[in-house]
Amino acid sequence: DQQVKQNSPSLSVQEGRISILNCDYTNSMFDYFLWYKKYPAEGPTFLISISSIKDKNEDGRFTVFLNKSAKHLSLHIVPSQPGDSAVYFCAASRGNKLVFGAGTILRVKS
Amino acid sequence: SQTIHQWPATLVQPVGSPLSLECTVEGTSNPNLYWYRQAAGRGLQLLFYSVGIGQISSEVPQNLSASRPQDRQFILSSKKLLLSDSGFYLCAWSWGLSEAFFGQGTRLTVV
Repeated sequence: DQQVKQNSPSLSVQEGRISILNCDYTNSMFDYFLWYKKYPAEGPTFLISISSIKDKNEDGRFTVFLNKSAKHLSLHIVPSQPGDSAVYFCAASRGNKLVFGAGTILRVKS
Repeated sequence: SQTIHQWPATLVQPVGSPLSLECTVEGTSNPNLYWYRQAAGRGLQLLFYSVGIGQISSEVPQNLSASRPQDRQFILSSKKLLLSDSGFYLCAWSWGLSEAFFGQGTRLTVV
């Protein structure tokens, strides 16, 4: 049972434009959501998170939006830079369990 | 500061051989510990997590096992590897409801 879903395997964006990465979850008990960035042959690195009591969290070029009624969250990157090219994982947690989506490959073209 | 060590970085093992991957965390006490696997072209699959010494939760039935003999040590093992065990294995730690921090990963190829 895949509780966290990233339905877009890849996304290509022009440098300077907005990148929007989407994530859906099925378990309404999740109470904390995170986005990670991963380069090949490296461990994921934490980007930004949001608690279920909020609907938006912003950190520099990165903003995460949470729509609890739709069980949907998204990561906005503005403006996109070539160095943002990586795999982005959405994750959700409840208590001690952290579940990841399948990831979305972002390519930012210069 | 906290650091996480995972080794080896790469490993090539024959089918049927045993496996032992080790992960240690420094600079923290009583962390939650995780083992994930990223198979080729797929996402991060949670294999095991542990909230304390000797406490292991298994997420998927498989050919692998995990142990936590010490507070900051997490070991992933197999008695007999299968071809399907190939993948990129990642150890991570966290403090309860917070972001998890990952090791650099182990690329396992079973031949």
